[in-house]
Amino acid sequence: KNQVEQSPQSLIILEGKNCTLQCNYTVSPFSNLRWYKQDTGRGPVSLTIMTFSENTKSNGRYTATLDADTKQSSLHITASQLSDSASYICVVRINTGTASKLTFGTGTRLQVTL
Amino acid sequence: NAGVTQTPKFQVLKTGQSMTLQCAQDMNHEYMSWYRQDPGMGLRLIHYSVGAGITDQGEVPNGYNVSRSTTEDFPLRLLSAAPSQTSVYFCASSLTGYSNQPQHFGDGTRLSIL
Repeated sequence: KNQVEQSPQSLIILEGKNCTLQCNYTVSPFSNLRWYKQDTGRGPVSLTIMTFSENTKSNGRYTATLDADTKQSSLHITASQLSDSASYICVVRINTGTASKLTFGTGTRLQVTL
Repeated sequence: NAGVTQTPKFQVLKTGQSMTLQCAQDMNHEYMSWYRQDPGMGLRLIHYSVGAGITDQGEVPNGYNVSRSTTEDFPLRLLSAAPSQTSVYFCASSLTGYSNQPQHFGDGTRLSIL
């Protein structure tokens, strides 16, 4: 069964600290892996998209890594800000040759505090 | 540029009532989709469309209908609302359904069925 599992479920960090969120997947055949940020009461917003050949991709203070061999990805947030408080969702696209088939993780809820 | 617009933002229905959730995008995207987001679960695909006049079922289509008469609009109809359909519904669009481009999400419709 195609699955995307994220850890931890929730995380509290102090403003200015770094953190790393994890994503493991069993989706096959793999097409790409996406990280989304979802603020409370809003829709998800794309942070990064990585294909099989990409190991690292950055978007400002967000850096995603991908190890396609072990089927693991991480999202590293540097120098966290209060505005980083949100849910972070890992999404894997299956390469079926048809229109997008995305498998969503349940998300990691991050709270950044003073 | 409004992106993806969903209306209404909140709705309360009684069991057995029908209603239509509206979704419109102004980015000339071919691919549009509907998801539901429930606590403790990843987003699940209800229906999707790869272009005007073309729709297909996703993972959880039962109890929902869609149509795509224009590129811009992709309404979701609940035929006879049931308490199990209480959820947050997100509409998303992307340029095509076959690329590595991100999906753009609306801010959701929060639906309660009594």
